[in-house]
Amino acid sequence: AQKITQTQPGMFVQEKEAVTLDCTYDTSDPSYGLFWYKQPSSGEMIFLIYQGSYDQQNATEGRYSLNFQKARKSANLVISASQLGDSAMYFCAMRENLGNQGGKLIFGQGTELSVKP
Amino acid sequence: DAMVIQNPRYQVTQFGKPVTLSCSQTLNHNVMYWYQQKSSQAPKLLFHYYDKDFNNEADTPDNFQSRRPNTSFCFLDIRSPGLGDAAMYLCATSRLGVGVADTQYFGPGTRLTVL
Repeated sequence: AQKITQTQPGMFVQEKEAVTLDCTYDTSDPSYGLFWYKQPSSGEMIFLIYQGSYDQQNATEGRYSLNFQKARKSANLVISASQLGDSAMYFCAMRENLGNQGGKLIFGQGTELSVKP
Repeated sequence: DAMVIQNPRYQVTQFGKPVTLSCSQTLNHNVMYWYQQKSSQAPKLLFHYYDKDFNNEADTPDNFQSRRPNTSFCFLDIRSPGLGDAAMYLCATSRLGVGVADTQYFGPGTRLTVL
């Protein structure tokens, strides 16, 4: 079975500094996708970044980058130049393939990030 | 802007009183999902539709049902809500196809309270 582990329940970072949120995964499927989502207190899940298992380059989207280490089965999210608005819960997720009917997301337990002014 | 819309944002119901949550999308995605997220937990998939094909998760209680009358709309029906069904209900959509990441985009959620 696929599994996502986020070992940091909570993290603090100073405004304008960079922060790394850890994520490790376990799967026997050679083809998989990894996602990071941000969930503010309002509850909406906001897609941040995607990494495919066959992608050669680490994914980047603006201030977000994904440090993908396939051999270690880790997919850490790096947020550069933290802003107060980055304070939220962050979920790492893996897509579990459901054949030709789509795929479901398996989520980690989340990391609560607090940005200090 | 293309988006996923959920109504209502907040729903209060009484124990045992049926409730329907709605989700609509303007993304023209072929897959729609319903997730349940209880307080301080990760979201958990209840079921999803690929076009008109319904896919139920094995551990989703019979109390939860869904309808997808067309591509744009999907409904979550809770036939007899219990106190344990109080949660955030998240609708998501994705496009399944060759060469696409099948990224799921979520609506703002409906927070359900059961009295």
